Amino acid sequence: QSVLTQPPSASGTPGQRVTISCSGSSSNIGSNTINWYQQLPGTAPKLLIYISHKRPSGVPDRFSGSKSGTSASLAISGLQSEDEADYYCAAWDDSLNGWVFGGGTKLTVL
Amino acid sequence: QVQLVQSGAEVKKPGASVKVSCKASGYTFSTYYIHWVRQAPGQGLEWMGIIYPAGGSTSYAQKFQGRLTMTRDTSTSTVYMELSSLRSEDTAVYYCARDYTRLDFWGQGTLVTVSS
Repeated sequence: QSVLTQPPSASGTPGQRVTISCSGSSSNIGSNTINWYQQLPGTAPKLLIYISHKRPSGVPDRFSGSKSGTSASLAISGLQSEDEADYYCAAWDDSLNGWVFGGGTKLTVL
Repeated sequence: QVQLVQSGAEVKKPGASVKVSCKASGYTFSTYYIHWVRQAPGQGLEWMGIIYPAGGSTSYAQKFQGRLTMTRDTSTSTVYMELSSLRSEDTAVYYCARDYTRLDFWGQGTLVTVSS
């Protein structure tokens, strides 16, 4: 059982916009920034969004993040086939003194 | 460029210990925390613990207290993760990751298989 809650799956057609939600509590998302990771099959997670809405160099601006209270969301616009992957949200938890993750959302591009 | 290179896959019997290494390069080793995160087959990510290379201080998730030891060798810019009393549920890919207020660079992962 993951500390952060994500939908297990999401889907969209090429060109569409999809959003993935992430719900937590006051000790994690509510008091810290959130990061999003993309994991392609057989590879390590890759940082996609940090400090809730910033993109590392090289990440397309099709990816965007937002946070409100104890929830956050990742939006992907102009969906492409290469976006098919697992997406994880993560936040530092002040009670557990460690990183907590969502269970992951498998994105399928139809 | 920042790189974290981990040691190779391991197969261990239940009750044994495993030690995985993570060699850092491309940045000042002592100034960034290193975390270990694992991922069981088909499952999500699980945080295990953190080590601060400068002083060697550590903090572990409660779940792994007593079984997990993280160490570092500053002369080779390498951190180590040792997990003891292995059981089948410890079968997973183990990742090291650098902390810069986010886990910004990850190792390639090390598969640890626990099987009799």
